[in-house]
Amino acid sequence: GAGVSQTPSNKVTEKGKYVELRCDPISGHTALYWYRQSLGQGPEFLIYFQGTGAADDSGLPNDRFFAVRPEGSVSTLKIQRTERGDSAVYLCASSRQWNTEAFFGQGTRLTVV
Amino acid sequence: TQLLEQSPQFLSIQEGENLTVYCNSSSVFSSLQWYRQEPGEGPVLLVTVVTGGEVKKLKRLTFQFGDARKDSSLHITAAQTGDTGLYLCAFRTGANNLFFGTGTRLTVIP
Repeated sequence: GAGVSQTPSNKVTEKGKYVELRCDPISGHTALYWYRQSLGQGPEFLIYFQGTGAADDSGLPNDRFFAVRPEGSVSTLKIQRTERGDSAVYLCASSRQWNTEAFFGQGTRLTVV
Repeated sequence: TQLLEQSPQFLSIQEGENLTVYCNSSSVFSSLQWYRQEPGEGPVLLVTVVTGGEVKKLKRLTFQFGDARKDSSLHITAAQTGDTGLYLCAFRTGANNLFFGTGTRLTVIP
């Protein structure tokens, strides 16, 4: 596709369940970012990949959160034992290189009930 | 710790009015970026300012980087309903990560 694609667009899950959120970056983009955004707030940084490796995972809030990018393209954000406080829009972005414009997907709205 | 504070947090104005929103920090940045985010969409880059004191114009939007490269402002002339959205400033770290400010939610009333 032409842009960053995130699936699913909406996810409702029960407290305690495991969820996976997928991000398909723009083809050829080496940098990939995950953010979490609460209503009316700026995106909160979670993790940043350069290629297959996590260049900075300091934003992951706790060990329930994990992200992978095994082939340097698609990335999956994994949340274990979900809590109601995890409810937010999860945004993914990619850029061609580390210092070029970042393009965002439309996000996945996660609701934990 | 929030490195980029934006003000005001919320702003509601009539169409045709002018407005300014601010992005402030105690840190010095090599550059700052401004994004606009519409409901249900991801942020979209508007501009990057690099030089202290730099002014960039994008149609009715004027962006300024502070002389000390610690702050930036966005001025909109003759606001239109299409300007409604969340305005975000952001900076890149030394490790080339991208961090965002707290955001200003602008509503332009017809």
